[in-house]
Amino acid sequence: EVQLVESGGGLVQPGQSLSLSCAASAFTFGDYAVSWFRQAPGKGLEWIGFIRGKAFGWTSEYAASVRGRFTISRDDSKANAYLLMNSLTAEDTAVYFCARGCAAVAGYYFDYWGQGTLVTVSS
Amino acid sequence: DIQMTQSPSTLSASVGDRVTITCRASQSISSWLAWYQQKPGKAPKLLIYKASNLESGVPSRFSGSGSGTEFALTISSLQPDDFATYYCQQYHTALCSFGQGTKVEIK
Repeated sequence: EVQLVESGGGLVQPGQSLSLSCAASAFTFGDYAVSWFRQAPGKGLEWIGFIRGKAFGWTSEYAASVRGRFTISRDDSKANAYLLMNSLTAEDTAVYFCARGCAAVAGYYFDYWGQGTLVTVSS
Repeated sequence: DIQMTQSPSTLSASVGDRVTITCRASQSISSWLAWYQQKPGKAPKLLIYKASNLESGVPSRFSGSGSGTEFALTISSLQPDDFATYYCQQYHTALCSFGQGTKVEIK
C-alpha cells in the first residue's frame, strides 16, 4: 500500500528554522513528484511547492508566499522528501502535508497524501 | 496566478439529497481540475481528476463535469460518510491552486 509519512513538526520560535521529512513507501519514489501543502487552523489548503522526479531533473517550483524562505529537496535512495523552512513566523503555523504528484501537461494532481505534521511557531 | 472560487462556502443537505458544488477558474484551465474530500483532522482524499475522471475506489455517486472555467462536483445521493469539506484544485500550470473549500453539513 502506498504510504507517505511526515515527521519533524513541533514548536519553534519565530525566526527559527525547521525541517520536515516525508517518508514514502510501496511505489517507485523516483518516478513521481512530491509536493508539500499546509493548512492553517480552521483554514483551507495551501500549496507550498513541489519537486519533480529524476526524469524532469529534480526541478522544483514554489508558491510566491514561501519562495526564497522554503526549500524542497529529495533523496531518492531513501525515498524521502524534505521541506526546509527558514525565518518562520506565526503565520507559518499549520499542519503540513506531503503528497505524491501525478503528472499532467504542466502541473500535478495528488493521489496519495500523508497524515500531516503540526508546526507551531510561537515564543 | 489562477484564482479558484468555489460556491457555496457552506451547504446544508440531508441524506439522499443530490448535491452540486461549483468551482470557477479565473482563466481557462481546460480540464486540468481535481476534486478532493477532507474530513476534520484527516488528509485530503482525491475524488476526481481531469475534471471528470473518477479516482479508483471512489463511489460512483461522485461525478465531475465542466471545462474551461466552470466546473462542478455532484454527489447523486448524499450518504452519511459524505459530510465533509470539498476542495477543487487546478493544475493547468505548475503553480497549482485550490478553491477555498465547500463544507457540506447535515441539514
